[in-house]
Amino acid sequence: QVQLVESGGGVVQPGRSQRLSCAASGFTFSNYAMHWVRQAPGKGLEWVAVILNHGSNEYYADSVKGRFSISRDNSKNTLSLQMNSLRPEDTAVYYCARDSFLGPGARYYFDYWGQGTLVTVSS
Amino acid sequence: DIQMTQSPSSLSASVGDRVTITCRASQAISNYLAWYQQKPGKVPKLLIYAASTLQSGVPSRFSGSGSGTDFTLTISSLQPEDVATYYCQKYNSAPAMFGQGTKVEIK
Repeated sequence: QVQLVESGGGVVQPGRSQRLSCAASGFTFSNYAMHWVRQAPGKGLEWVAVILNHGSNEYYADSVKGRFSISRDNSKNTLSLQMNSLRPEDTAVYYCARDSFLGPGARYYFDYWGQGTLVTVSS
Repeated sequence: DIQMTQSPSSLSASVGDRVTITCRASQAISNYLAWYQQKPGKVPKLLIYAASTLQSGVPSRFSGSGSGTDFTLTISSLQPEDVATYYCQKYNSAPAMFGQGTKVEIK
């Protein structure tokens, strides 16, 4: 069965960096684009970033562009999110999510989600 | 960017009631619309994609309709386990954009 397990959350000071990871299993990781989606406490869902299946293309929400970097290691079935220059408004549960499309490209909707990891940006 | 607006923001209905949630896109998105259910304290779950296609395993009391800018999610007979927040999401192009959510409760 498909499993996505995030890690790396915690409390971080404004302006500092944090790196999240997502370990994938139960499917051929290199066949799917992968996304990060976040949810601030008590708020709605916000798409953050996508990386295509072979890591050749990445796209970001305007709110994180230039500060966050998504990457993947298909040999280790791992997705990562490097978050720099963190702001209090980046406080959220960060979900790793699989794109629904099998193959190159992405459909930008999500058929499997991890349990999420909470990042709190606070001094 | 295209904005997604859901209504109502919350609703309360009785078990067995028919419940309808609407989602409006600020520009036409054809049928590139998904619906998710998020139960309290849980992870979002894909219910419907392509505006009206039920994801595998989703009960048939859920249905979706619409195209262009106006979409609906209908629960034909509300059950206690349907208590959740429901989100629409457009996916015709990046960025993927979610509606603000509709919280469904039992009266």
